[in-house]
Amino acid sequence: GAGVSQSPSNKVTEKGKDVELRCDPISGHTALYWYRQSLGQGLEFLIYFQGNSAPDKSGLPSDRFSAERTGGSVSTLTIQRTQQEDSAVYLCASSSPGTRSTGELFFGEGSRLTVL
Amino acid sequence: GENVEQHPSTLSVQEGDSAVIKCTYSDSASNYFPWYKQELGKRPQLIIDIRSNVGEKKDQRIAVTLNKTAKHFSLHITETQPEDSAVYFCAAITGGATNKLIFGTGTLLAVQP
Repeated sequence: GAGVSQSPSNKVTEKGKDVELRCDPISGHTALYWYRQSLGQGLEFLIYFQGNSAPDKSGLPSDRFSAERTGGSVSTLTIQRTQQEDSAVYLCASSSPGTRSTGELFFGEGSRLTVL
Repeated sequence: GENVEQHPSTLSVQEGDSAVIKCTYSDSASNYFPWYKQELGKRPQLIIDIRSNVGEKKDQRIAVTLNKTAKHFSLHITETQPEDSAVYFCAAITGGATNKLIFGTGTLLAVQP
């Protein structure tokens, strides 16, 4: 596609349910990031995938959060047993090998998660 | 790991005035410092960046300066316009194996017409 695609754009769930958020990066981009943005807050780093290297999971806030990236392309962020404090916009971003050294990230529109 | 601090958190200026946003970072191995602009309800987009071998970079009304010794960098916007109103994020790419991008907490800039 032309840009980073995320789905769903909006997700409302009940406390305790599991959710999956999907990110389809720009074709050919080897680096993929997940960030979390709470209302009026900054971009909180969650996890980073680069090529075939082991992902950097240092930003995941608890073991309820996990992410995978299949075939070096699509990524899924899973939140188990959701809590109200998980409510936020989850942003995915990717960068290409040619621009990796520049660090330019191309962001998706985000998935807005609301936990009731 | 890298820690990026940004201030002020909010900034209000009159149209035509200048705006300055400052960031500090902790990892001396960091070598790339981009700035992103996020308009209300939209995704962040890169507006300018600077590398550690450059002290200053300018692009029309925006400029960035970098002081590696002090580990701080700044964004300067001159002749501000209402369309400059947005949240601005600084970031630093960490040194080491993972090279991940860590963002500051953001600055809400409001340009009053």
